[in-house]
Amino acid sequence: QSALTQPPSASGSPGQSVTISCTGTSSDVGGYNYVSWYQQHPGKAPKFMIYEVSKRPSGVPDRFSGSKSGTTASLTVSGLQAEDEADYYCSSYAGSSNWVFGGGTKLTVL
Amino acid sequence: EVQLVESGGGLLQPGGSLRLSCAASGFTFSSYWMHWVRQAPGKGLVWVSNINSDGSSKTYADSVKGRFTISRDNAKNTLYLQMNGLRAEDTAMYYCARAWSVGFDMWGQGTMVTVSS
Repeated sequence: QSALTQPPSASGSPGQSVTISCTGTSSDVGGYNYVSWYQQHPGKAPKFMIYEVSKRPSGVPDRFSGSKSGTTASLTVSGLQAEDEADYYCSSYAGSSNWVFGGGTKLTVL
Repeated sequence: EVQLVESGGGLLQPGGSLRLSCAASGFTFSSYWMHWVRQAPGKGLVWVSNINSDGSSKTYADSVKGRFTISRDNAKNTLYLQMNGLRAEDTAMYYCARAWSVGFDMWGQGTMVTVSS
């Protein structure tokens, strides 16, 4: 159960778009369309942002979008806003009722 | 209000035991799979364990298998994590999370477990 690989940091200016990658293997990201994304502000619990690769839960702005190609999933945040500054984690189902998270990406809004 | 509230964390010595609880309210607890996820200080999220809606199926991460036991009491709307043989590397904030599709749609505020001599 190795962690998914995310870049440690990403940044963008207000109004710009930024994409965060999440690389796994054929046993997790590549094997299922079950990637989800979470936003976590300092000292807070994670927040559910994307599920099943590209679906948004109710209440999540459409500035947040997800996609997947092969063993790499991506989260794109468009029209960056100051409140988007947070840590972002990907997660994937890994078979046999196991799940795996990425190491997290710190998004900075410049 | 729909919420999850964890409790039971604390400071204990290596080799010790602890039972965490997660009280659910505002939704039909017995209909949902549930998970435990932990986060060491300054580190990322790590999936720990999950349990199906009636408690008949449980899965664990390799790092806790044989030491941790997940359970639930649907009559009390409560999820548990019994942790035995605790190690320094188990030090973390422990979150309970509700399953939605194959993700985690609701999280508690977490309870901190510190293992240190």
